[in-house]
Amino acid sequence: AQSVTQPDIHITVSEGASLELRCNYSYGATPYLFWYVQSPGQGLQLLLKYFSGDTLVQGIKGFEAEFKRSQSSFNLRKPSVHWSDAAEYFCAVGAREYGNKLVFGAGTILRVKS
Amino acid sequence: DADVTQTPRNRITKTGKRIMLECSQTKGHDRMYWYRQDPGLGLRLIYYSFDVKDINKGEISDGYSVSRQAQAKFSLSLESAIPNQTALYFCATSGTRPNTGELFFGEGSRLTVL
Repeated sequence: AQSVTQPDIHITVSEGASLELRCNYSYGATPYLFWYVQSPGQGLQLLLKYFSGDTLVQGIKGFEAEFKRSQSSFNLRKPSVHWSDAAEYFCAVGAREYGNKLVFGAGTILRVKS
Repeated sequence: DADVTQTPRNRITKTGKRIMLECSQTKGHDRMYWYRQDPGLGLRLIYYSFDVKDINKGEISDGYSVSRQAQAKFSLSLESAIPNQTALYFCATSGTRPNTGELFFGEGSRLTVL
């Protein structure tokens, strides 16, 4: 069965510090991978996506993620966190073969301390 | 105006009542989805529809039904609401021309069942 694991439920970082959010997946088809962000009271906004090609993908708001097939991982990174990055982050996996139905991880809540 | 609009945004109801959540989209997408979000569980797929005549159950369809009234409209119904259906519900769409795999989300409908 398809699954996505985000091992960290909560992460707290200081403003200006670097960030890495972990995501591991198990998926039978050739996956494409997403990171979404949800600010309090808001819907989900796409940060970045990986379909194929270069395994390091750039997204909005200075985020990037690296696809590592050998580790079944798609970790999200940001070199310097801003207070406005505090939100919940979701990793998701899907495939065209499965009709774009995305399977989501449980989410990681990011807190930023000043 | 939002491309994917959900109504109502907030609803409090009582056990046993019938509830309908509505979703409309202006993106011209063929595919529509209903997800529910629970803390610590991420988003789980309830139902999805690839076109007006195509309705499919998702991971957690028990206790729910849907109607695809038109390409742009997809409603979720709870025939007899129960407290464990208290959650944040999201409608999403995706396109096939081109098929980018990305889901576009509404802002969510928060349902509380007392």
